[in-house]
Amino acid sequence: NAGVMQNPRHLVRRRGQEARLRCSPMKGHSHVYWYRQLPEEGLKFMVYLQKENIIDESGMPKERFSAEFPKEGPSILRIQQVVRGDSAAYFCASSQDYLSTDTQYFGPGTRLTVL
Amino acid sequence: AQTVTQSQPEMSVQEAETVTLSCTYDTSENNYYLFWYKQPPSRQMILVIRQEAYKQQNATENRFSVNFQKAAKSFSLKISDSQLGDTAMYFCASGGSQGNLIFGKGTKLSVKP
Repeated sequence: NAGVMQNPRHLVRRRGQEARLRCSPMKGHSHVYWYRQLPEEGLKFMVYLQKENIIDESGMPKERFSAEFPKEGPSILRIQQVVRGDSAAYFCASSQDYLSTDTQYFGPGTRLTVL
Repeated sequence: AQTVTQSQPEMSVQEAETVTLSCTYDTSENNYYLFWYKQPPSRQMILVIRQEAYKQQNATENRFSVNFQKAAKSFSLKISDSQLGDTAMYFCASGGSQGNLIFGKGTKLSVKP
């Protein structure tokens, strides 16, 4: 039973380019969460999605960032016109149910470096 | 708003000894869950243990156990018989009705041979 998959593991972009981060949840999981980890910091919630719906995007910057979780395929976190401050590790987690009782399982993360 | 505080940025322990990592939290919710995640140098986030707030009994997972003090809003992690592979960042997190997790800033644990 494969865990949460994220790709790429490492992504380098120049300022102004676009970054696309992909997340495939665990089999049977329909809830996806994206978190960002800055150096020497804990993880910060960005967005919570269920299939085809954004449930909570309160932690995501309103400009340049977007997320989707289509009916078919992985969840995508998209960052347009990247800036150096976007450099961070981005983690995806999935759960079977939305309840706070349900454990979230994390992928290995994507480390984004903006030059 | 929920907050999670880890007051120990770094700790070290000798192999085979016991170490306790501290965590305090604040929440206005009645039904919530608490977690400890481990992040080794590989950066993978690994679930160590979880505690349901409505349960009085402290959770245990092999060498890992928690001391959950609900009134004090304290949730410490005890690692017994520490092993070199326990060297990692440890994050305390809380989950509420919103679904997302709130993380502390982490404690860097070094297990020395």
